[in-house]
Amino acid sequence: LAKTTQPISMDSYEGQEVNITCSHNNIATNDYITWYQQFPSQGPRFIIQGYKTKVTNEVASLFIPADRKSSTLSLPRVSLSDTAVYYCLVGDSNVNTNAGKSTFGDGTTLTVKP
Amino acid sequence: DTGVSQDPRHKITKRGQNVTFRCDPISEHNRLYWYRQTLGQGPEFLTYFQNEAQLEKSRLLSDRFSAERPKGSFSTLEIQRTEQGDSAMYLCASSQTGLENEQYFGPGTRLTVT
Repeated sequence: LAKTTQPISMDSYEGQEVNITCSHNNIATNDYITWYQQFPSQGPRFIIQGYKTKVTNEVASLFIPADRKSSTLSLPRVSLSDTAVYYCLVGDSNVNTNAGKSTFGDGTTLTVKP
Repeated sequence: DTGVSQDPRHKITKRGQNVTFRCDPISEHNRLYWYRQTLGQGPEFLTYFQNEAQLEKSRLLSDRFSAERPKGSFSTLEIQRTEQGDSAMYLCASSQTGLENEQYFGPGTRLTVT
């Protein structure tokens, strides 16, 4: 399973755009990139998933360059409630092999200040 | 649908006792996963099921740990002869076939072994 590297922590202020970059140099052809958010004492929550280029939903955008060796989660206009740990995962989409066997790293702790 | 539920939310037990946790996944989800999370770390994969079949067990899952999903619906995770090192948050997640990397997590069971 591809290993991911993220910054340990980031600080931001309310209303700013936050970009968290994840490196995954050993990503395989079948791998998708998935981001989760976790608040203290809660399970992780799925945010967004992508394979290449750009994906956007109501919560975030995910930018993936052509070589797919990194990805950037973009959170527009963060608020205090976005303070959480954000995990980048690279997972096999092949249902017959490792699909769903996700390897979480230690994530990025985002602190949003007033 | 109320999402993934876990019971109990908290469990305090004495070293050497057996404990059992229950997870009820989202009803139409075929895959069910167990993770363990300690403070400051990301979730660690333990095992997962496709319907009632247990597909893989992590080496973290010693012979004191056993998981079942007898009818392909709810799952139980049992820890026998608990040790202080078993103290952690135990998370359950589920996903649909074809969307294995989009997992929905429960709130977790926090185990404290004294």
